[in-house]
Amino acid sequence: EADIYQTPRYLVIGTGKKITLECSQTMGHDKMYWYQQDPGMELHLIHYSYGVNSTEKGDLSSESTVSRIRTEHFPLTLESARPSHTSQYLCASSEFPDWGEQFFGPGTRLTVL
Amino acid sequence: SQQGEEDPQALSIQEGENATMNCSYKTSINNLQWYRQNSGRGLVHLILIRSNEREKHSGRLRVTLDTSKKSSSLLITASRAADTASYFCATFDNDMRFGAGTRLTVKP
Repeated sequence: EADIYQTPRYLVIGTGKKITLECSQTMGHDKMYWYQQDPGMELHLIHYSYGVNSTEKGDLSSESTVSRIRTEHFPLTLESARPSHTSQYLCASSEFPDWGEQFFGPGTRLTVL
Repeated sequence: SQQGEEDPQALSIQEGENATMNCSYKTSINNLQWYRQNSGRGLVHLILIRSNEREKHSGRLRVTLDTSKKSSSLLITASRAADTASYFCATFDNDMRFGAGTRLTVKP
């Protein structure tokens, strides 16, 4: 079944730890996105990718980095987590053209103590 | 950055009533989409309306688009408790921009 997965769903870590949030999709979509969303608030685009070896920064400045070595996989890494990184992180994918429907994963809720 | 703004921010209705949410945006768009988000989950695409369309239906959903006023509305008819969620509009003008959402509560 075509889907988009995120792991872990919940993560509580201490300040200074390095973390990687995983995102995988089985739909063969070229474009993938990472959004950051605080509770009850709008989504902010932090990274996106047009395909393998393509990564771009979004509107919201973020200290995270991403990689796209395989079409299906788009992990997000925080080298040194801080309490200000506490938020929900949503991964999404879409087919070209990029104005179409986006498919979202269930999200990772990150808490940095 | 935010492009669409939903109104109202929160809406509480009884089961069976209709729910109307509005979205205003600032720039010209290719299309406008509505998404639904259950608490703590990812977003689910509901409906897409192109800039040259004025109205679109999908089941109990009706979306209108007025490009002259840069606004859209989402109507959910005969609401159910399961419709309780946040509803976001998203516009595409080089990239997708989401609003802050309307939090809909449908009381049984």
